[in-house]
Amino acid sequence: DADVTQTPRNRITKTGKRIMLECSQTKGHDRMYWYRQDPGLGLRLIYYSFDVKDINKGEISDGYSVSRQAQAKFSLSLESAIPNQTALYFCATQARPYNEQFFGPGTRLTVL
Amino acid sequence: GQQVMQIPQYQHVQEGEDFTTYCNSSTTLSNIQWYKQRPGGHPVFLIQLVKSGEVKKQKRLTFQFGEAKKNSSLHITATQTTDVGTYFCAETSGTYKYIFGTGTRLKVLA
Repeated sequence: DADVTQTPRNRITKTGKRIMLECSQTKGHDRMYWYRQDPGLGLRLIYYSFDVKDINKGEISDGYSVSRQAQAKFSLSLESAIPNQTALYFCATQARPYNEQFFGPGTRLTVL
Repeated sequence: GQQVMQIPQYQHVQEGEDFTTYCNSSTTLSNIQWYKQRPGGHPVFLIQLVKSGEVKKQKRLTFQFGEAKKNSSLHITATQTTDVGTYFCAETSGTYKYIFGTGTRLKVLA
């Protein structure tokens, strides 16, 4: 089984809809991250969490919110989806000594 | 804000040729990581560099961190078709969150 899982893997939704992307990990890592990937722009950080009570905005947090329900779960929500949020979304985890980040398989989101 | 420039954006090479991608920052970095993303896949960690002037090797891959800790490079010797993918650098200035470069997409022609 994969250590970092993301659901759904693909999602098509309409403008204005609320959508939640979920990330779960079995690695026991304390740090979790949400990134979005757009062609030619690399990966950009949306939110990050160092533990359940510590959540921080990344460089592109507008239009997104997150919830760290447990150490193993970190959800990303789009309260009212818009077409320019169409992208590939990755969750990542990290543990001491905070070197390698482990990425999930990604969620491809299309907003029509 | 912090900016990360990665060049080139694309590179097509003949199998057996060498390949280099460069990462440049406007600020001094604490450390830098390199990741590889295969087509349709997710980023996979390759290495982390911490010290000024550091050079590390992994088989055909050589990673360097600049003396001023503002740039880094990844060099692949004698590319193979298995090297195909996008290579990203990820930089941090000590805040423990990473800024990724725009990536270099490598295509290897057999």
